[in-house]
This record gives sequence, C-alpha cells and structure tokens, in this order.
Amino acid sequence: ILNVEQSPQSLHVQEGDSTNFTCSFPSSNFYALHWYRWETAKSPEALFVMTLNGDEKKKGRISATLNTKEGYSYLYIKGSQPEDSATYLCASPYNNNDMRFGAGTRLTVKP
Amino acid sequence: AAGVIQSPRHLIKEKRETATLKCYPIPRHDTVYWYQQGPGQDPQFLISFYEKMQSDKGSIPDRFSAQQFSDYHSELNMSSLELGDSALYFCASSPPGSGGYHEQYFGPGTRLTVT
Repeated sequence: ILNVEQSPQSLHVQEGDSTNFTCSFPSSNFYALHWYRWETAKSPEALFVMTLNGDEKKKGRISATLNTKEGYSYLYIKGSQPEDSATYLCASPYNNNDMRFGAGTRLTVKP
Repeated sequence: AAGVIQSPRHLIKEKRETATLKCYPIPRHDTVYWYQQGPGQDPQFLISFYEKMQSDKGSIPDRFSAQQFSDYHSELNMSSLELGDSALYFCASSPPGSGGYHEQYFGPGTRLTVT
C-alpha cells in the first residue's frame, strides 16, 4: 500500500449502535498514525496519535488500535450518538512531516 | 485556549491575481503545515515549516510560495491564480518536537474562490 486508505467511505448507523472503520497505511518507514474527527464547516480535531505496534488508545466512547506490521488501524465508537456524526480521517506522515490523509469515513448516526 | 488563527476566512480573487493567506500558530508551537482541500477531495499536504525553515514540501505548485516569520506566523503566497486553486486552505501547528509524532491543531481554514 502506497497511500493511506480508509473504509468504508460512508457509514450509517442507528443511535446506540457500536461501529468501527479501518485505516490502511504504508507499513514501511512508519512514523505515526493520526486520527482526526472532522465536522462539516469546522476544522479537523485531533483524536489520537499512535506510534507503537499494538497501541490502543481511548477517549470516552472512541478507541483505536494500531498494527504497524500489517499497516492498519481500527477506530471504534461504542454506543454511537448523533453528535458523533462526522468524517473520521486518518493520516500518516510519509516522512517526518509530510502528512498523507485518507479520504475519510463519513459517519452518520440516526436518532 | 488559544487556537490556530487563519486570515482571511474567505477570499475571492480573479484568475491571474495573487493571494496571500496568513496563519498564526498556537503560542509556543514551532511547526506550521499548510494543506489544500479541493471540493470533494482529501486534504493535500502543501508545505511545512519548522523553526522558520522549510522542513518538507508536498504537492505545492511552483506558483505558490510560503514562509514562516520570526514570530512563527506563516504566509502562503499564491500567484497567477487558476480556477483550480479554488479550495479550502488549512493551516495546522504542532508543538516543539518531532513533527510526525505530534498532534496537529488545525485552524478554521481560508476558503479561496477564484473566478
């Protein structure tokens, strides 16, 4: 994988459902994996920065895991709420600074 | 808490004109990044600065230039504007240390429309 890829492109869930989506990134020359939450008409908000294989981070109902050997990260949202509706971006620095973003997963949580 | 400030928030220019976008990072952040997001596209990294020196260059056209000043604010200068330059331009900053390992804090963006 040469680019950062995310799947699915969009996701519709009901309030209370738990959900997860995937970010795939180049596993060679890995520096870090960033997750951002991006609401319409706002700027991206940093969720997690992950650097170690096997790392797992949690912020409230949102958590993420990292597998640097196979080049993927999962973002989990437990008990989705309508306010979780946003685009979730992952990004990985191509080198120390050149951040490459995925296309994002657009999550819609229906009340 | 202070956030990244970008100005102007909206800018309308005609083809072949020039534009200057400004970014004021969070205080004590020494690294600034510029991104371009075209309609329906992923954000694309343009250029970054660390301690007033260009640290990395992405897909920035030759018509664009940027610099970081002594107070760490940065300006993106865009000349000979084309219709395809219409996009949302984000600036982000990160605290001292290795850039790739630190969260980037994004500004609200400048929406540039070229007519």
